[in-house]
Amino acid sequence: GENVEQHPSTLSVQEGDSAVIKCTYSDSASNYFPWYKQELGKRPQLIIDIRSNVGEKKDQRIAVTLNKTAKHFSLHITETQPEDSAVYFCAAVNPSGAGSYQLTFGKGTKLSVIP
Amino acid sequence: GAGVSQTPSNKVTEKGKYVELRCDPISGHTALYWYRQSLGQGPEFLIYFQGTGAADDSGLPNDRFFAVRPEGSVSTLKIQRTERGDSAVYLCASSYGLAENPYEQYFGPGTRLTVT
Repeated sequence: GENVEQHPSTLSVQEGDSAVIKCTYSDSASNYFPWYKQELGKRPQLIIDIRSNVGEKKDQRIAVTLNKTAKHFSLHITETQPEDSAVYFCAAVNPSGAGSYQLTFGKGTKLSVIP
Repeated sequence: GAGVSQTPSNKVTEKGKYVELRCDPISGHTALYWYRQSLGQGPEFLIYFQGTGAADDSGLPNDRFFAVRPEGSVSTLKIQRTERGDSAVYLCASSYGLAENPYEQYFGPGTRLTVT
């Protein structure tokens, strides 16, 4: 099955700096890569996603890049703000024959933005 | 519109007891997933429903775990003879499924299960 590795496990940045979180996946058939933000005690929230036919996607201060050949994808947050502090999870989807689009998650990155 | 809802938000039970966790997906979402999140980890897949049927239950850890979705909307995750190792946050997610966009999944707030 799919395996997703995520680094770093913790990341501290000064407010206004950029943050980068990296993930690798094992199954070359995976074709969808979402990122979720989870604040303490809250539900995971989908913040951005990318399909395998696209190399980069941007939404205001966040962007995701995908390298299919190397099987890795990254989340970039620019001009970080204290409210960006949370745990971020990457995930990958390899659609199954049963029609499942189950998410395989990385272990998460705890981002702290220091004011 | 209303998001995915889950009840109860917290459940404390004694080892060996039976528990039921409920998920109410977003209206119109035909696909429903259950995940389990242990402390400091990412969610792990348990089971997937498309409509009323459990199309993929490969993530259920053992036969003490069972889930149903009898009318294709609300789902119940059932755990028999609970063990301390079952303690975790149980998350439900839904999506439009195969007919529209099967990829984007939206999560509920979870049920925190504690087995004492």
